[in-house]
Amino acid sequence: GQQLNQSPQSMFIQEGEDVSMNCTSSSIFNTWLWYKQDPGEGPVLLIALYKAGELTSNGRLTAQFGITRKDSFLNISASIPSDVGIYFCAGSSNTGKLIFGQGTTLQVKP
Amino acid sequence: DAGVIQSPRHEVTEMGQEVTLRCKPISGHNSLFWYRQTMMRGLELLIYFNNNVPIDDSGMPEDRFSAKMPNASFSTLKIQPSEPRDSAVYFCASSPNRDSPLHFGNGTRLTVT
Repeated sequence: GQQLNQSPQSMFIQEGEDVSMNCTSSSIFNTWLWYKQDPGEGPVLLIALYKAGELTSNGRLTAQFGITRKDSFLNISASIPSDVGIYFCAGSSNTGKLIFGQGTTLQVKP
Repeated sequence: DAGVIQSPRHEVTEMGQEVTLRCKPISGHNSLFWYRQTMMRGLELLIYFNNNVPIDDSGMPEDRFSAKMPNASFSTLKIQPSEPRDSAVYFCASSPNRDSPLHFGNGTRLTVT
């Protein structure tokens, strides 16, 4: 079945540093999504990507839909303490099913 | 917009008992999804509905699990009988249609002892 490999699994960084995480897939996706989950809450959508090569920003967040349609990355610039949480990539293909990566746990040291 | 509403937020039950989780999707959303989250397996899709009709239930782990959507504003996920390995956080999510991003509820944390 479809699988998403998300890396890194966890990151511990200093406030102000930039962060980069990515996802790769064994198959082609039509949509890539990036979510953030805070403790005790459900995942919240950060960025949605619908076209190969698409580069989209949302404040300090930037994400790209890979040309091969098998990968995506998320960058966070100038990290702040409230960026702490678990970041998930998710992809969907023609089946309509949304598959999630295993998550990247981000910790930011003030 | 109240978002996706799930109840209860926490459920603790004994092995063998029946458990029912409830979800109210965002009004106007035609697709509803049930996910299970565990440390070992991450977020797994259990089942999704489109216009109240189950489309794909291949993620439902066993016959002990069942889901219904009697109308556009309500869905249930039932586990009967429950087992300790069912302990997880269960999320409901909805979207305007199956190709749109999902909006998640805050989940039900289930503990089966």
